Amino acid sequence: NAGVMQNPRHLVRRRGQEARLRCSPMKGHSHVYWYRQLPEEGLKFMVYLQKENIIDESGMPKERFSAEFPKEGPSILRIQQVVRGDSAAYFCASSPPWAGGSQETQYFGPGTRLLVL
Amino acid sequence: SQELEQSPQSLIVQEGKNLTINCTSSKTLYGLYWYKQKYGEGLIFLMMLQKGGEEKSHEKITAKLDEKKQQSSLHITASQPSHAGIYLCGAGVYNQGGKLIFGQGTELSVKP
Repeated sequence: NAGVMQNPRHLVRRRGQEARLRCSPMKGHSHVYWYRQLPEEGLKFMVYLQKENIIDESGMPKERFSAEFPKEGPSILRIQQVVRGDSAAYFCASSPPWAGGSQETQYFGPGTRLLVL
Repeated sequence: SQELEQSPQSLIVQEGKNLTINCTSSKTLYGLYWYKQKYGEGLIFLMMLQKGGEEKSHEKITAKLDEKKQQSSLHITASQPSHAGIYLCGAGVYNQGGKLIFGQGTELSVKP
């Protein structure tokens, strides 16, 4: 069973360009989570999605950032008009459907390291 | 808002020595997770604790959650160079299903 896949692993963008980060969850996992790890900072929650639904986007910056998890295909984190401050490692995690209302363990991908020049 | 404090921030031990990393929460923990991260890589799941007083072990690593569910410890017995990395504790947030908050991490180096 392959783990959580993320691509690209490294992404370089110039200021003003768009960045698209992709995440394929583990087989059988219908919940996807995105986190950001800024240099010298901890890991911060961004958004939680289920297929075709955004459940919690309380950690997403209000502008330029969006996320989706379509019925078919990977989850996408999209950053428009990137700025230098967006440079960070972006991690995706996935979990199986929750059983009995209890949170399931999140399994993380290798991350995408975004560098904005 | 809930916060997780890890201590120590960094740790250097001689191979073969035991060590403990602590994770303290300002509020009751709803699911406490331990992960390990190697530099430049993703997070590897180690263990998850939910019940007060719970203890789990895997190979030479033991994690405990106190009865009040506000503090957890990760203990490594007879450390090896393969244990080196950054250890992160994460916790669920009450009434915010899905979201995990994380401590700042503890960087462990093991000297051969």
